[in-house]
Amino acid sequence: QKEVEQDPGPLSVPEGAIVSLNCTYSNSAFQYFMWYRQYSRKGPELLMYTYSSGNKEDGRFTAQVDKSSKYISLFIRDSQPSDSATYLCAFMDTGRRALTFGSGTRLQVQP
Amino acid sequence: DAGVIQSPRHEVTEMGQEVTLRCKPISGHDYLFWYRQTMMRGLELLIYFNNNVPIDDSGMPEDRFSAKMPNASFSTLKIQPSEPRDSAVYFCASRTTETSGNTIYFGEGSWLTVV
Repeated sequence: QKEVEQDPGPLSVPEGAIVSLNCTYSNSAFQYFMWYRQYSRKGPELLMYTYSSGNKEDGRFTAQVDKSSKYISLFIRDSQPSDSATYLCAFMDTGRRALTFGSGTRLQVQP
Repeated sequence: DAGVIQSPRHEVTEMGQEVTLRCKPISGHDYLFWYRQTMMRGLELLIYFNNNVPIDDSGMPEDRFSAKMPNASFSTLKIQPSEPRDSAVYFCASRTTETSGNTIYFGEGSWLTVV
């Protein structure tokens, strides 16, 4: 079993749609949960960061973590063409200071 | 801040040649990471340093790969000899433990093609 599983996509939605991106993980040592966004031919950039179960909102973005189910989600409301990118879930445990990434979901928002 | 700076941005080389990728982390950051990204395997951690000391190199594929960090502002990833299967985007990233949070900042990547 892979340590992190991410829905591969690609996902194509119309502008204004609500987007749901998901990851599951198996490592109980993961304590920090992140979403990175990667535009074409660019490096990943941090979008959302949380360390507890529950929801965290930032503008049109909501990150959701369920530690008991080992499941995290990113919701994008009122999606825009500028949201078109690859979204990577990422995890860090308390001992190892590096990130473990999901494979990424490519999102295309059609105007 | 200038961000993480990587060079070269693009490299095309012939199989068997030595490749050296370079990275300047964000000033003041005490962790430096090298990741490799491919379509098949996604983003994989190769090695990371803390205060210029290699901490975990378990992701380095084989002896052909080596990484050094001679000082806090410079790191290299070397592949010798290079093979076509090394073709990938290599990212350098850095972070600091001095502020709250665990944000890791990535460079723009070095796009390597081995023919």
